[in-house]
Amino acid sequence: GIQVEQSPPDLILQEGANSTLRCNFSDSVNNLQWFHQNPWGQLINLFYIPSGTKQNGRLSATTVATERYSLLYISSSQTTDSGVYFCAYCGRYGGATNKLIFGTGTLLAVQP
Amino acid sequence: KAGVTQTPRYLIKTRGQQVTLSCSPISGHRSVSWYQQTPGQGLQFLFEYFSETQRNKGNFPGRFSGRQFSNSRSEMNVSTLELGDSALYLCASSDGQVNTEAFFGQGTRLTVV
Repeated sequence: GIQVEQSPPDLILQEGANSTLRCNFSDSVNNLQWFHQNPWGQLINLFYIPSGTKQNGRLSATTVATERYSLLYISSSQTTDSGVYFCAYCGRYGGATNKLIFGTGTLLAVQP
Repeated sequence: KAGVTQTPRYLIKTRGQQVTLSCSPISGHRSVSWYQQTPGQGLQFLFEYFSETQRNKGNFPGRFSGRQFSNSRSEMNVSTLELGDSALYLCASSDGQVNTEAFFGQGTRLTVV
């Protein structure tokens, strides 16, 4: 079936460090999103990035659709960056739909 | 403009009961999707509604159902609750075209005892 793999599963950083989170997917991508889940459970949109590169402050993301992966870069990490990061994609399998398939997430802990 | 609103935020129910959760999408959005998040299974797609019609459905038993109203608000219902239905239920709002950006509500945390 369709798979979304995220790595690493867990990551511990010192404040100020940089990190790269990876998302591999097994189908041609129509929609790729990165989310940060806050402690109350809400998924906060970081990037909508089916292809190319985007930047938003200390965060940036790149999706290489032809090679079926996406990367999320966090620079100069802060304790508020802690939490779970999910990638989710919508592939061509589903036809006319907004169904997202989620990865298992990367749990990030930034220590002061 | 206002984001996605889910009610209630927390719910405790007894096995065998039924429950109805509500989701109001972003104004102008016509697609509403529901997801279940559990520690064991992660985030799983339940169903998507667009223009009051179910457009896609995940692999959940028939006890899970939903509907969408003409104002795009959506409800999901779970009948004959089981302990395993305890989860965070998240609703996503999209503008209605396919493969567009989804925005999530704060979720409803359901506990079945």
